[in-house]
Amino acid sequence: DTEVTQTPKHLVMGMTNKKSLKCEQHMGHRAMYWYKQKAKKPPELMFVYSYEKLSINESVPSRFSPECPNSSLLNLHLHALQPEDSALYLCASSQDSTGNQPQHFGDGTRLSIL
Amino acid sequence: QKEVEQNSGPLSVPEGAIASLNCTYSDRVSQSFFWYRQYSGKSPELIMSIYSNGDKEDGRFTAQLNKASQYVSLLIRDSQPSDSATYLCAVKWAGTALIFGKGTTLSVSS
Repeated sequence: DTEVTQTPKHLVMGMTNKKSLKCEQHMGHRAMYWYKQKAKKPPELMFVYSYEKLSINESVPSRFSPECPNSSLLNLHLHALQPEDSALYLCASSQDSTGNQPQHFGDGTRLSIL
Repeated sequence: QKEVEQNSGPLSVPEGAIASLNCTYSDRVSQSFFWYRQYSGKSPELIMSIYSNGDKEDGRFTAQLNKASQYVSLLIRDSQPSDSATYLCAVKWAGTALIFGKGTTLSVSS
């Protein structure tokens, strides 16, 4: 069991659908992250939120839209995705974004685009 | 360009042996170092964090950091089949996000 909770665990969607991934943590962490991971590859950073503000966007296509409604929640809104976007999407959190504290990952959402 | 290098493996060791996983990084001015374990189809799980030169022990795991030589290693003593996984080394530099190596796959045979 992890202290970072992600829903749903699996998601299958068509290229015209709109869906959202959700992430929640109750550890009082002030930094939250979205990563994308393809099979046999390391996690790739997508977005970083620090104190509920977007601090890093790693040139992610606009069909991915992050949102941080409060310090415990992080969403990733998906629209018009492509088959190559199929991957494991990981949420992580840390006490702050300085990097001196480790990141803790959720179990991930496995996304398949038809 | 900040880089983190790991041998992809697979590294195969018999049960009860010591597994040694190595990681090198490109820039000496680094801050924080982490080892994650990832089972197939699962998310990364933090094993160890290390910030200062030397050894840090936690149960069967020992992380070793040598900033002058720019490497960090993870030793797993008394390896068990349940240790079979991919081990990710991650490095944080000032002004950058956490950068992961490609991971080393460890296989422990019983």
